[in-house]
Amino acid sequence: AQSVTQLDSQVPVFEEAPVELRCNYSSSVSVYLFWYVQYPNQGLQLLLKYLSGSTLVKGINGFEAEFNKSQTSFHLRKPSVHISDTAEYFCAVRFSGGYNKLIFGAGTRLAVHP
Amino acid sequence: NAGVTQTPKFQVLKTGQSMTLQCAQDMNHEYMSWYRQDPGMGLRLIHYSVGAGITDQGEVPNGYNVSRSTTEDFPLRLLSAAPSQTSVYFCASSQGIAGGQNEQFFGPGTRLTVL
Repeated sequence: AQSVTQLDSQVPVFEEAPVELRCNYSSSVSVYLFWYVQYPNQGLQLLLKYLSGSTLVKGINGFEAEFNKSQTSFHLRKPSVHISDTAEYFCAVRFSGGYNKLIFGAGTRLAVHP
Repeated sequence: NAGVTQTPKFQVLKTGQSMTLQCAQDMNHEYMSWYRQDPGMGLRLIHYSVGAGITDQGEVPNGYNVSRSTTEDFPLRLLSAAPSQTSVYFCASSQGIAGGQNEQFFGPGTRLTVL
């Protein structure tokens, strides 16, 4: 079965430190990859997406992610986090050739401390 | 545009009661879907629709019904609520029904508690 694994359920980090949130997926077909952010008591907002082309994609709020096909990974990074980045982050995959059905990982809660 | 709207924001039900969660979008999107969010499990797809009159099951459809009589609305019905349906429900929509460029827009969610 196709699945998405977010390797860390919680990531604590100090303000201005770098952070990486890890995401792996299982698929034998082409995929589109997404990262969403959910701030407390809000809906989901798209951070960035990989459709094709350059494997390094940049998103909003200074985040970027790198698609690695051989490792089936799509890790999210930010070189310097702010308190306002405290939120839950979801990795999601959509398989090419089908409808817009997204498969989500379990989420990673990023806690930025002063 | 209001985007994707959901009502109510909060709801408490007793076991066995029925209710409908409302979802509407004003962007003329073809694709609409319902997800439930549970701690440690991310979002799971309940039902989706690729146009008016066309719906299909997602990953966790049991206990839920949907219909799509108009492009704008996609209500989710719980016929006999169970405590296992306590969750946060999100509605989402996208312009196209396929293709990675079709970003899904999410509503603010409905927090449902079944006692």
